Amino acid sequence: AQSVTQLGSHVSVSEGALVLLRCNYSSSVPPYLFWYVQYPNQGLQLLLKYTSAATLVKGINGFEAEFKKSETSFHLTKPSAHMSDAAEYFCAVSQRGTGANNLFFGTGTRLTVIP
Amino acid sequence: NAGVTQTPKFQVLKTGQSMTLQCAQDMNHEYMSWYRQDPGMGLRLIHYSVGAGITDQGEVPNGYNVSRSTTEDFPLRLLSAAPSQTSVYFCASSSTNYGYTFGSGTRLTVV
Repeated sequence: AQSVTQLGSHVSVSEGALVLLRCNYSSSVPPYLFWYVQYPNQGLQLLLKYTSAATLVKGINGFEAEFKKSETSFHLTKPSAHMSDAAEYFCAVSQRGTGANNLFFGTGTRLTVIP
Repeated sequence: NAGVTQTPKFQVLKTGQSMTLQCAQDMNHEYMSWYRQDPGMGLRLIHYSVGAGITDQGEVPNGYNVSRSTTEDFPLRLLSAAPSQTSVYFCASSSTNYGYTFGSGTRLTVV
């Protein structure tokens, strides 16, 4: 079985500061990991995905995440927060691939950016 | 390319009413799924399908029914709506090559 835990349901950062959103996973087999972003009243947009290639994954909007097997983590970072980054972020895990398999989500982290 | 289309975007139901949430994709993806999103609980899988004619239950299937007669369509039926089914519903499709694509959601309120 797979699951993800997102530490911190709410994170606030100042504009220009580092963004760090935490995600730890549990999986009995090598996982595939995803970060999605949801802006208010919108659907989910894929930020980035880890599919067992490079452990440092770069995504859209300047975000990146590093897969650390020893720590079972896949934390999302961005060097400098922008006001437009305010949204809810979801970490998700899939067991066998990026496609035809079930996706399990964390409970989400709401990011607030303070001007 | 429309991607994943969900209708309606908003719906209000009375307790006990039934309705169908529509989901269609034009990417020829084999896999489709339905999630519900509730505050503080993330997205939870309701039902999924790995191809036409094949469906299975997810984490929270009670009170919902699905069928998959074509590759393109995967409707979600609420048999007898309850206030606990007030939620935002998302449909997603995927293939092994392209990852998951989500629809824009259906906001359902049951009164």
